[in-house]
Amino acid sequence: KNQVEQSPQSLIILEGKNCTLQCNYTVSPFSNLRWYKQDTGRGPVSLTIMTFSENTKSNGRYTATLDADTKQSSLHITASQLSDSASYICVVSESGYSTLTFGKGTMLLVSP
Amino acid sequence: KAGVTQTPRYLIKTRGQQVTLSCSPISGHRSVSWYQQTPGQGLQFLFEYFSETQRNKGNFPGRFSGRQFSNSRSEMNVSTLELGDSALYLCASRSSGNPFDTQYFGPGTRLTVL
Repeated sequence: KNQVEQSPQSLIILEGKNCTLQCNYTVSPFSNLRWYKQDTGRGPVSLTIMTFSENTKSNGRYTATLDADTKQSSLHITASQLSDSASYICVVSESGYSTLTFGKGTMLLVSP
Repeated sequence: KAGVTQTPRYLIKTRGQQVTLSCSPISGHRSVSWYQQTPGQGLQFLFEYFSETQRNKGNFPGRFSGRQFSNSRSEMNVSTLELGDSALYLCASRSSGNPFDTQYFGPGTRLTVL
């Protein structure tokens, strides 16, 4: 069964600090992996998408990494801001299908 | 370009009733997917429509159904509501059926079943 596991479940950091969120998956065959940011009360917004051949992709202060061999991805947030407080969801797409497998997300709280 | 819109934003129903949720995709987008989001299960895929045809279906009972119109607008229907159907229902659109296309999510419809 395809699964996406995220850790930690929740995280509190001080404004200005860095943090790293983890995503492990068992989806096979693999097509692509996305990280989404979901603010409270709103729909998810795509941050990055990575394919099998990519191992790093950045979007401003967000940097995603992918190790397709170990089936692990991470999302690194640099110099956190209060507006980074949100749920971060890892989503993996299976090759040949448009069905997505979602992780349960990491709830990040950036404290002043 | 307007984003994905969903109506209504909030809904309260009682057990046994049925409900219809509506989604208008971004103009030009032909693929619409529906998801259920609950605190315990996270986001779960319900189904995807492309050019009025259901292309994929998640593991949900037949009480959950949907359709897509020629203008790409989509509706989702849940019959015989149960307490466990209380959730945020999200709709997402993308321009084609290509899985590499970015999905754009709407704000969701918060359904509460009493």
